[in-house]
Amino acid sequence: NAGVTQTPKFRILKIGQSMTLQCTQDMNHNYMYWYRQDPGMGLKLIYYSVGAGITDKGEVPNGYNVSRSTTEDFPLRLELAAPSQTSVYFCASRSGRDNQPQHFGDGTRLSIL
Amino acid sequence: DAKTTQPPSMDCAEGRAANLPCNHSTISGNEYVYWYRQIHSQGPQYIIHGLKNNETNEMASLIITEDRKSSTLILPHATLRDTAVYYCIDPMDSNYQLIWGAGTKLIIKP
Repeated sequence: NAGVTQTPKFRILKIGQSMTLQCTQDMNHNYMYWYRQDPGMGLKLIYYSVGAGITDKGEVPNGYNVSRSTTEDFPLRLELAAPSQTSVYFCASRSGRDNQPQHFGDGTRLSIL
Repeated sequence: DAKTTQPPSMDCAEGRAANLPCNHSTISGNEYVYWYRQIHSQGPQYIIHGLKNNETNEMASLIITEDRKSSTLILPHATLRDTAVYYCIDPMDSNYQLIWGAGTKLIIKP
């Protein structure tokens, strides 16, 4: 019963490096979301997707890119890592049926030094 | 900004009912209210959601006022494992974008 799987769980990057955070779900959900959470704060939406090939910006998209080539996968790309991107990143998915809740992965803890 | 307001923290004795309030005074007629919790920086966990009638599942009960401007999440017999931050959320659009506030930090005391 995997649900939403995020990899890696932890990562340390140097300023200016790039990396991709992976997210995959096995529930055949149409909707997928990327959030970041800074210490003591609620989650903030970075990007979301309503289906393969369709993505849109959330509240805080600057410095990130996404793609959605399959229903299962929704990777998040950091091109030029900055200290302000140090955060915990959560991926979520939900069914396309009305009013269904989002289901979350366990997160990726990213530090930029 | 979040469309809901919650107290920043609450305490509850183990074994007692925990009642967590939420104000959502700008909610529209067809918008559901969702409750999630986050235990020690794990991924948020869905608890329950509702429109206007009271709802109950294996985790909790949700009481929504008749005017829909507020709701209360009830954990009937709180355990130490229920210590978490609880979020009440009113999705902002048809794509179910969730705008998260700071939530209520619930501490269950032995």
